[in-house]
Amino acid sequence: QVQLVESGGGLVKPGGSLRLSCAASGFSFSDYYMSWIRQAPGKGLEWVSYMSSAGTTIYYADSVKGRFTVSRDNAENSLYLQMNSLRAEDTAVYYCARAFYYIDVWGKGTTVTVSS
Amino acid sequence: EIVLTQSPGTLSLSPGERATLSCRASQSVSSSYLAWYQQKPGQAPRLLIYDASSRATGIPDRFSGSGSGTDFTLTISRLEPEDFAVYYCQQYGSSPRTFGGGIKVEIK
Repeated sequence: QVQLVESGGGLVKPGGSLRLSCAASGFSFSDYYMSWIRQAPGKGLEWVSYMSSAGTTIYYADSVKGRFTVSRDNAENSLYLQMNSLRAEDTAVYYCARAFYYIDVWGKGTTVTVSS
Repeated sequence: EIVLTQSPGTLSLSPGERATLSCRASQSVSSSYLAWYQQKPGQAPRLLIYDASSRATGIPDRFSGSGSGTDFTLTISRLEPEDFAVYYCQQYGSSPRTFGGGIKVEIK
């Protein structure tokens, strides 16, 4: 079945880095835009980034621009989010999502905690 | 950026009652590109409605969406116990894609 599985979350100090991964299965990954959506504890949803199927179109929210980098490997059916210069306000559950317009497939999420 | 305002913040209803959730946009959402999601505690959101009124695959017909321009509504005709959750609207008519702040539907 269609599935997205995130990994790579954890506890990191302010200023540190993490790399999130998302493994896709059950659909033709290379045909779809993919996205990262995050949700801070007790808060709403924020669209962090998306990347087109070929990787030629990329979007970042202003809150992460210059610090986060999205990438994908269509041969490995994988999406990545490199997060640098992390701040306390980046603490959230990060969801991998099949999405460009609306989100029809969500992963279960991986938790990123930025704290000293 | 289009700001989506959802109201009320919390809706206290009993099973079997009708729920009406509002999502208002700060400017017109082009082509009615609006979606609704349901989120239960500890789970990822689930797509309910897209294009303002189209039900996603497997969504019961007690869920319906309507609206255009700046005013959109999600209606749950008769609340089932599993419908008590938080509901978010999201617009994809323009960039950046934005979400509303959510409405919690709780058991009265």
